[in-house]
Amino acid sequence: EAGVAQSPRYKIIEKRQSVAFWCNPISGHATLYWYQQILGQGPKLLIQFQNNGVVDDSQLPKDRFSAERLKGVDSTLKIQPAKLEDSAVYLCASSWDSHTEAFFGQGTRLTVV
Amino acid sequence: AQRVTQPEKLLSVFKGAPVELKCNYSYSGSPELFWYVQYSRQRLQLLLRHISRESIKGFTADLNKGETSFHLKKPFAQEEDSAMYYCALHSGNTPLVFGKGTRLSVIA
Repeated sequence: EAGVAQSPRYKIIEKRQSVAFWCNPISGHATLYWYQQILGQGPKLLIQFQNNGVVDDSQLPKDRFSAERLKGVDSTLKIQPAKLEDSAVYLCASSWDSHTEAFFGQGTRLTVV
Repeated sequence: AQRVTQPEKLLSVFKGAPVELKCNYSYSGSPELFWYVQYSRQRLQLLLRHISRESIKGFTADLNKGETSFHLKKPFAQEEDSAMYYCALHSGNTPLVFGKGTRLSVIA
């Protein structure tokens, strides 16, 4: 089966600019996650969707980050405006449900300069 | 709060030597524990989970609730085992919580 697709693979922006990441999960997977992985650290959950509803966004910096999964399939994560500390790899993952194995995409490496 | 601790950032072993990657967790209930691996230039992928109690690529991990540990072990390391290893915890409806990871380097 095709894996989780993410784009772009790399993005360099200046601070205060906006950026958006896209994720296409594995077909049929109801649960979708966005993780932030800062260099030298493990992935940290930003937001979890179950179909098109938000299950957990407690660690999402809502003043600048937003995410949506309008049709319960693809998802976008946006940062507006970006800060230097947002430099990280943004990982998307999906699973059949919240209790089953999560499959990860290749990630988007964001550099904010 | 759930927490996963991997005390070693880097572990170097010689080929053929035993490997043990440490993982400790804090959670009061009955968690599910996982090991994820990321090989160079590849995506993060599940290696094994404590529920299945299986050996994958020669690796095993036993959940020790008394010591709140889930150490990953392999009796004889191979060069292709070199990678980043992440211990993760899941419970109920809460999402995966990851440790900071340990980089395993197997020296020929």
